[in-house]
Amino acid sequence: GESVGLHLPTLSVQEGDNSIINCAYSNSASDYFIWYKQESGKGPQFIIDIRSNMDKRQGQRVTVLLNKTVKHLSLQIAATQPGDSAVYFCAENISTGNQFYFGTGTSLTVIP
Amino acid sequence: SAVISQKPSRDICQRGTSLTIQCQVDSQVTMMFWYRQQPGQSLTLIATANQGSEATYESGFVIDKFPISRPNLTFSTLTVSNMSPEDSSIYLCSVRSQSSYEQYFGPGTRLTVT
Repeated sequence: GESVGLHLPTLSVQEGDNSIINCAYSNSASDYFIWYKQESGKGPQFIIDIRSNMDKRQGQRVTVLLNKTVKHLSLQIAATQPGDSAVYFCAENISTGNQFYFGTGTSLTVIP
Repeated sequence: SAVISQKPSRDICQRGTSLTIQCQVDSQVTMMFWYRQQPGQSLTLIATANQGSEATYESGFVIDKFPISRPNLTFSTLTVSNMSPEDSSIYLCSVRSQSSYEQYFGPGTRLTVT
């Protein structure tokens, strides 16, 4: 399978600031990506997705950027709130296959 | 998005025993999956639950250890057999939309094996 990290990167931001969470994916054939938010004790929650024919997609307070050249994905959260504190995972998929490969995850802590 | 429930939400089991986890979805879905998430780690796919046929297992996971059933389009079970402390983990049911590639997760079952 794809890489699964043992060390969780962390990010701390002040409430009200913007957050940027990064993800490097491994398979150049991946053509669909999802960002998930996982709060403690809960299952991953779908936030936003993007297909490889796009380089940017916006949702409510969130923006996903895709750079296929360097195989990089980012999630931007505007005006970060304490409720945004969670672990964020990116997941990549090749549309011809079933499996999503999940990144290591980034732990976001919002400081009030 | 689909609403997914899992039972039990958590359990503490003795080694050598087995636990069956249930997953129920509120709508018919094309695909159902079972994932494992070990403490502090990312998600690993165990298998794809196929309706009316044997599940498709990923490398490192076998049917004897993780038997899976999917009798219809809205329900699946995962059994963790002959448990050892190494099986302590969160087990997550996941479904994929019929009309898109969006994939959603249940709340998870937190298993502790003593």
